[in-house]
Amino acid sequence: DQQVKQNSPSLSVQEGRISILNCDYTNSMFDYFLWYKKYPAEGPTFLISISSIKDKNEDGRFTVFLNKSAKHLSLHIVPSQPGDSAVYFCAATAPSTGANNLFFGTGTRLTVIP
Amino acid sequence: KAGVTQTPRYLIKTRGQQVTLSCSPISGHRSVSWYQQTPGQGLQFLFEYFSETQRNKGNFPGRFSGRQFSNSRSEMNVSTLELGDSALYLCASSWDYNEQFFGPGTRLTVL
Repeated sequence: DQQVKQNSPSLSVQEGRISILNCDYTNSMFDYFLWYKKYPAEGPTFLISISSIKDKNEDGRFTVFLNKSAKHLSLHIVPSQPGDSAVYFCAATAPSTGANNLFFGTGTRLTVIP
Repeated sequence: KAGVTQTPRYLIKTRGQQVTLSCSPISGHRSVSWYQQTPGQGLQFLFEYFSETQRNKGNFPGRFSGRQFSNSRSEMNVSTLELGDSALYLCASSWDYNEQFFGPGTRLTVL
């Protein structure tokens, strides 16, 4: 059972525009969420995280929004750059339960068109 | 600060053999987690070690095992390899319950 879902396998955006990647989760015990960027045959690179006590976290061009009631989070990249082209994974975990394992979504392939 | 390192980067084995993969975490990180990535199942959690103790375990058969040493370095072992074990094996380290930083992975091919 997929507890973290990314329903859009791919997304294409023009350079300079906003990229919005979405993620849904089902387990209400999740209270920490992360976004990773991944290139083929490499390990995921950590981008940004958010705790369930917040609804927004910003780091440079990256902003993550969390809607706990909808069990939904999104990653906004503004402005998008060609170097942002990669697969983006949403992950969730429940550290308050003593668990440190990440549950990953299936990924969204972002293509930024120059 | 050096990142997470994994050795070897590539490995080819045959069915029935066993394999040991190694991971060196970021200096100061006490938690090491292992994940398997396959095209069909995506990224799945194998197990986590913290201060030389297994703190958490995923839903993988007992052929998959691991350990952590006093310097936080970790190894995972897969015995009696099956074709389905072909995957990218990723190690991640964290200080405790926070962001996990991944290594480049070990690509295992089972023939």
